[in-house]
This record gives sequence, structure tokens and C-alpha cells, in this order.
Amino acid sequence: KQEVTQIPAALSVPEGENLVLNCSFTDSAIYNLQWFRQDPGKGLTSLLLIQSSQREQTSGRLNASLDKSSGRSTLYIAASQPGDSATYLCAVRQDRDDKIIFGKGTRLHILP
Amino acid sequence: NAGVMQNPRHLVRRRGQEARLRCSPMKGHSHVYWYRQLPEEGLKFMVYLQKENIIDESGMPKERFSAEFPKEGPSILRIQQVVRGDSAAYFCASSAQQGWNTEAFFGQGTRLTVV
Repeated sequence: KQEVTQIPAALSVPEGENLVLNCSFTDSAIYNLQWFRQDPGKGLTSLLLIQSSQREQTSGRLNASLDKSSGRSTLYIAASQPGDSATYLCAVRQDRDDKIIFGKGTRLHILP
Repeated sequence: NAGVMQNPRHLVRRRGQEARLRCSPMKGHSHVYWYRQLPEEGLKFMVYLQKENIIDESGMPKERFSAEFPKEGPSILRIQQVVRGDSAAYFCASSAQQGWNTEAFFGQGTRLTVV
């Protein structure tokens, strides 16, 4: 059974710092991995999609990496801003049944 | 192309009533997923549907819960005889097809409160 784990569960850093969020998964038979952002009381916004054959994807200040064989992904946020404060969720899409399985998220707070 | 539309955004039901949650996928998307989120928790998979077919309902309670995605119209998640424990945010996602390069897009969710 696929398990997706995100570490840390919560993180507070001063504005301007670079930071890394971690995601690990137990079954590497995946189509892709997606990182989402969720603001309190809101829906999910897709940030980056990494296909299983890719190693990384970049969008602005965000860079996501994928090491499928070891079951790990990281989301790197450069020059953090207070507006980055949110919960960040990673999700894997399994290739055997097409289900999308989520981690519990990392609650990020950027201190002004 | 509007995003994934869920309605209502907020729904209040008394114990024992029925709740019907609607999800209109993005145009051209034929795959719909439903998830449930409790406060401070991640998203728990409930059911995966394609047009007119339930592909995987392993995360959905066998009693009181049902889902459909008809040929025409939105996907519906139906909860009969609601109880307080059903209070949660319910999200749906849609994607175009199965496979490695397909991105899932989420709606804003329906927040169900059972009083």
C-alpha cells in the first residue's frame, strides 16, 4: 500500500531564506508526482508536476526534484516571502491503478 | 476554460438528512477523483470515476456514501443520513486521461457541516 510522508509537518523561517520541503513515497511505480499549495479554507493549487522519467521541474522561485528509485522528492523555495505561507502537499499518481495519493502536508510560515 | 467547479461551497445539514455534492470537471476531462479532508489532515482518497464507471471506490465507506459520474452532467457525491462525523471538506479533482503527463486539477471544495 502506497504511503506518502512529508517532513517536516510544520516549518517557520524568516523571510528571504531558501528552504526545502521533503516528500517520500513507498511504492516507486508512479506515473508522476505533483506538488500543491493549499491556503487555509481554500482549495488546492497545482505548483509543479514531475513525470516519472524526469528529475526536476522549475517554476519561478520553485524547483522540485524527483528521485523515483529512492522514493523521494523535494520542493525548493528560493528567497521565501510571507505570501508563500501555506500548506504544501505532495501527491503521487500510481501507475497500477491511477489513484492519486497525498501526503499530510507541510505547514509553512514565513516570518516577515 | 473554467476550472473544476464544485457546488455548493458550503453545505449545512441536520443529522439524518442527505447531502449531495456536485463536481463539474474541466472541459474535456473524463476522470474524476473525490477526496475528504478533516481539519489539520491531508486528503484521503474516496473514489475514482470515469464517465459512467466507478473505477475504484476503495476509500469510500460502503454504507451511506455513493458516487456517480453520468454521461451528461456533473459528478455527484451523495451522503445519506448524515452524521456529525461526516463534517469535513470534500474536494474533487479532474484530469484529462490516464498516464504520466496528466495533471490533476482541484476544485475549491465543499465544506459540509452536520449539525
